[in-house]
Amino acid sequence: EAQVTQNPRYLITVTGKKLTVTCSQNMNHEYMSWYRQDPGLGLRQIYYSMNVEVTDKGDVPEGYKVSRKEKRNFPLILESPSPNQTSLYFCASNNLAGTYNEQFFGPGTRLTVL
Amino acid sequence: AQSVTQLDSQVPVFEEAPVELRCNYSSSVSVYLFWYVQYPNQGLQLLLKYLSGSTLVKGINGFEAEFNKSQTSFHLRKPSVHISDTAEYFCALYGGATNKLIFGTGTLLAVQP
Repeated sequence: EAQVTQNPRYLITVTGKKLTVTCSQNMNHEYMSWYRQDPGLGLRQIYYSMNVEVTDKGDVPEGYKVSRKEKRNFPLILESPSPNQTSLYFCASNNLAGTYNEQFFGPGTRLTVL
Repeated sequence: AQSVTQLDSQVPVFEEAPVELRCNYSSSVSVYLFWYVQYPNQGLQLLLKYLSGSTLVKGINGFEAEFNKSQTSFHLRKPSVHISDTAEYFCALYGGATNKLIFGTGTLLAVQP
């Protein structure tokens, strides 16, 4: 089954404790992206990657890191989480061939930073 | 700059009544537009999309949307809603070169019996 998976789905942590949220897709998509969803703000892009070893900042990259060492994986790293990073996080991927291809979203990771 | 505006943060409606969720966009280039639905505690599901062609787009679960270039709108409609339609609905615009989706702030559709 074609899908984007995220782990963990739920995470409660404390300020300053490094964490990684994993994202994996099995569709051989070039493009992968991270969004965060906050009430009243919708979804905002954090980082994106056009292909392996190619990453770039989105609209709200502060406090986050990413890496793209393999095509299927795009982990989101919070080196020193803070309470303002409490949010619902979505990973997405799609194929870049052609004019437009639908983005597939993961199930989300709900992060609480105390 | 491109942007999406959903003016209604919440729309209460009675079951079997019609509903319209409003979406306006701003873009200096041709647009691709989308509506996504997020059911409680779930991820995002694509409802429908406008890429080109007919301005009336039909999606899943009986929803449809009309692309209006002159009014820069892409309102979502359903003639008769069900309790199960209770969810948050997001309008989104394809951002072109960066491949990102630009989302509106969302509208919570609350269907009451």
